[in-house]
This record gives sequence, structure tokens and C-alpha cells, in this order.
Amino acid sequence: GDSVTQMEGPVTLSEEAFLTINCTYTATGYPSLFWYVQYPGEGLQLLLKATKADDKGSNKGFEATYRKETTSFHLEKGSVQVSDSAVYFCALSDNGNNRLAFGKGNQVVVIP
Amino acid sequence: DTGVSQNPRHKITKRGQNVTFRCDPISEHNRLYWYRQTLGQGPEFLTYFQNEAQLEKSRLLSDRFSAERPKGSFSTLEIQRTEQGDSAMYLCASRSDGSYEQYFGPGTRLTVT
Repeated sequence: GDSVTQMEGPVTLSEEAFLTINCTYTATGYPSLFWYVQYPGEGLQLLLKATKADDKGSNKGFEATYRKETTSFHLEKGSVQVSDSAVYFCALSDNGNNRLAFGKGNQVVVIP
Repeated sequence: DTGVSQNPRHKITKRGQNVTFRCDPISEHNRLYWYRQTLGQGPEFLTYFQNEAQLEKSRLLSDRFSAERPKGSFSTLEIQRTEQGDSAMYLCASRSDGSYEQYFGPGTRLTVT
């Protein structure tokens, strides 16, 4: 079945550092890809999305490009802030019922 | 637009008891999803409604679980004869036709003792 793999472990970095979180997927069709974010004490929020190959999703300084050849959707931000501390989930949907398949998530901690 | 709401936010129950959770989607969202999230994991799909019709159920949804969405508005998820392994956060999400974005509620945290 469809699945998403995120890099292992939490990510700790200093303010203004460059952030990359790796995400790869396995899917039988042509899924849509998403990054969701969960800030402390809050619910899941959509951060960005891409619906077809080579699309770039962007929001709040974050970007991710849908790479069909490498089945990847890595999240990047050039200069993180303390307020970016959260758990980030990569997800895909099957474009049918659009149920989401999530990765395990990465805790990001930004230190001042 | 008040967002997706879920009640209760927390539920502690003894093993073997039945529990029921409620989800109120964003009004006019005809598609509703239930997910389960355990500690350190991403949410896992449980079931999906389009209006009042339950169109898909995950294999995670054992016979002890049942979900309804009467009249295509709010939805309930019932777990019968709870087990300790049912302890998790239960998330509800909704979306409208033509939109990819699912809006998530705050979740109901279930603890089975």
C-alpha cells in the first residue's frame, strides 16, 4: 500500500540555520503530497502541498518540490526561527477518497 | 467557520468499557475522516464518510469499532469493550469537494486503564 518514510529522529538546530527534513514515498498511482505541522498544544495544520510532479509547494518560508524520479518531497527552510519549533509530518493522498497516509513525523527544536 | 470540533477532549476509561467520541466538521464540508495517532507515530487512517455514506474502512477498524454519520453532519466513533491498545489520540478531519486540504480537529485523547 501507499506509505511515507521520514528521516529518523528529532532535529535540533540554532535560529537562522537551514532546515531540511527528508521525505520519500511509495505509491501505486500519482498521489498528492503534503507537509502538515503540529505546533505545541495545537492540532494538525496543512503547511504546504503539491499535486503533481515538479510542483513546488511553499508557505511561511518553507518549500518542498514533488520529485517523481526520486519519489521524494523534502521540506526546506532557509532560516528557521524559534517559532518554527513543532512536529512536521509528510503525507500523501491517493486522489480517490483522499485519505492521508502519514510519515512518523519529525520533532524540530529551534534554539535561540 | 469555527473549525472542526471534537468532544470530549480527554477520556479515561477502564478496560472493557464502551466509549463514544463525537466530531463536528466544518459546516458544508461533506467529507469526513477519522484517524488514530499513537505516541511517536503519524496519524493512521481509520474510516471515511462522504455525506452520510461510509465509503472506506481501514483494516485497523476492528469489529469493536463503529462509526456513523447520520444526516451527513456530525459523526460518532464508538469503541466497544475497550482494550489498553486502544489508548491513542483519535483525530477527525473534514474537507469540501474540490479541495485537497483536510482540516483537523484537536483530537480526543483516550486512555484505557
